[in-house]
Amino acid sequence: GAVVSQHPSRVICKSGTSVKIECRSLDFQATTMFWYRQFPKKSLMLMATSNEGSKATYEQGVEKDKFLINHASLTLSTLTVTSAHPEDSSFYICSASTRDLRGDEQYFGPGTRLTVT
Amino acid sequence: GQQVMQIPQYQHVQEGEDFTTYCNSSTTLSNIQWYKQRPGGHPVFLIQLVKSGEVKKQKRLTFQFGEAKKNSSLHITATQTTDVGTYFCAGPKGGGSNYKLTFGKGTLLTVNP
Repeated sequence: GAVVSQHPSRVICKSGTSVKIECRSLDFQATTMFWYRQFPKKSLMLMATSNEGSKATYEQGVEKDKFLINHASLTLSTLTVTSAHPEDSSFYICSASTRDLRGDEQYFGPGTRLTVT
Repeated sequence: GQQVMQIPQYQHVQEGEDFTTYCNSSTTLSNIQWYKQRPGGHPVFLIQLVKSGEVKKQKRLTFQFGEAKKNSSLHITATQTTDVGTYFCAGPKGGGSNYKLTFGKGTLLTVNP
C-alpha cells in the first residue's frame, strides 16, 4: 500500500514553455501533498504544501506564479512550471501524507526529471 | 529557522563493515523519520521514532532517538552492497507535530564489495 505515482518521469522542454507534472496517490487518499525539488547529490528542498480544495502554501523564496500547484482531489495534485528557464531544470518529487495511514510519514513519488533547453 | 544537520556527508565502507550516520536538530522534535534514497531513485520511508530514548531495529539497521529528542542515529551492521544509497533524517518543520518535514542533507553510503 501507500503508492504514489508521478507523470511524466522525464520531460525536456524549451525555454518559455510550461510543463505540468502530475502526482497521484494510487491506493489511499492523501489529505496533504508536498512538492520538493532536489539538485544532484543534494537534499530535498520543500517547495510547497498542497491541501485538497485549498490554496497551496509556498515556502519562502518559491515563486507562486511560476510554480502553480493545484490539488483538485484527494488523489491528485499537479505542479505546473510556467515559462520554464534552464535554471528550472531539476528533479521534482512529490510526496503524500495522511494521518489515516500510519502517522506523519510521507510517501514519495518516483520523481520527474525536468530539463529545460 | 529550524535546522537538521547530518554527518558525515559521505561514507565509503568495505562490505561487512559497520556504518553510522548521525542527525542533529536545532530544536526539539516530536518525532524523527529516516528515509533511504537509492541512486537514481526516490526517498523511501524507513522508520519513525517518537519516544525519547527510543531504539528500533529493522534487521541489520538500528535507529535511536536521543533522550532530548534533538538527535538521532542510524547504524547498519555488516553492510551489504544493497545498502548503498543516501540516508536522510527528517523532522517536523517547526519542531511540533505537523505534516511538513525538514530534511537533513543526507549521508551518501557507498559499499565496496
